[in-house]
Amino acid sequence: RKEVEQDPGPFNVPEGATVAFNCTYSNSASQSFFWYRQDCRKEPKLLMSVYSSGNEDGRFTAQLNRASQYISLLIRDSKLSDSATYLCVVNSHTGKLIFGQGTTLQVKP
Amino acid sequence: DADVTQTPRNRITKTGKRIMLECSQTKGHDRMYWYRQDPGLGLRLIYYSFDVKDINKGEISDGYSVSRQAQAKFSLSLESAIPNQTALYFCATRPEENTEAFFGQGTRLTVV
Repeated sequence: RKEVEQDPGPFNVPEGATVAFNCTYSNSASQSFFWYRQDCRKEPKLLMSVYSSGNEDGRFTAQLNRASQYISLLIRDSKLSDSATYLCVVNSHTGKLIFGQGTTLQVKP
Repeated sequence: DADVTQTPRNRITKTGKRIMLECSQTKGHDRMYWYRQDPGLGLRLIYYSFDVKDINKGEISDGYSVSRQAQAKFSLSLESAIPNQTALYFCATRPEENTEAFFGQGTRLTVV
């Protein structure tokens, strides 16, 4: 079993839609969690950190469920510019950053 | 100028050749990482280093070696390149545990 698993998609949604991605992790000792965005084989960039209490940044909401070992990302009012690959990242207790395989989002006009 | 710089950006090399990918950073971070990315597989960790004297293997270190010449420099070597090492390679840095990682722009390596 992979340490971090995501549905690769692709998710094809119309502009204005709400879309949610989930990510599961296998190691309960994992310490911190992030969502990164990657455009067309460019370098990944931090979208947001994920806190136990949940956090929101504009149209983006991230949630962490430690009991079930999953992380979610909700995007409301999707824009064309949201089209990208979204990477779930877990900081292991040994200091490694482990990436999921990524979920591809395509927002259509 | 980029805070995390990778050289070269693109390289085509022949099977059996030795090649070094370099990463330098101006952010003053202690932690540095090397990843490779293949289509459909996400980023996989090759090696990581928490300071100049600390080197650790990641999940796919076979066929690779690294050198941490200074806090700012972390090089990845392929001693004898093979075609299945064709991939996009990323270097990343971060200041400490549980913080954001910053990536270089990537090196696209093709082994023929």
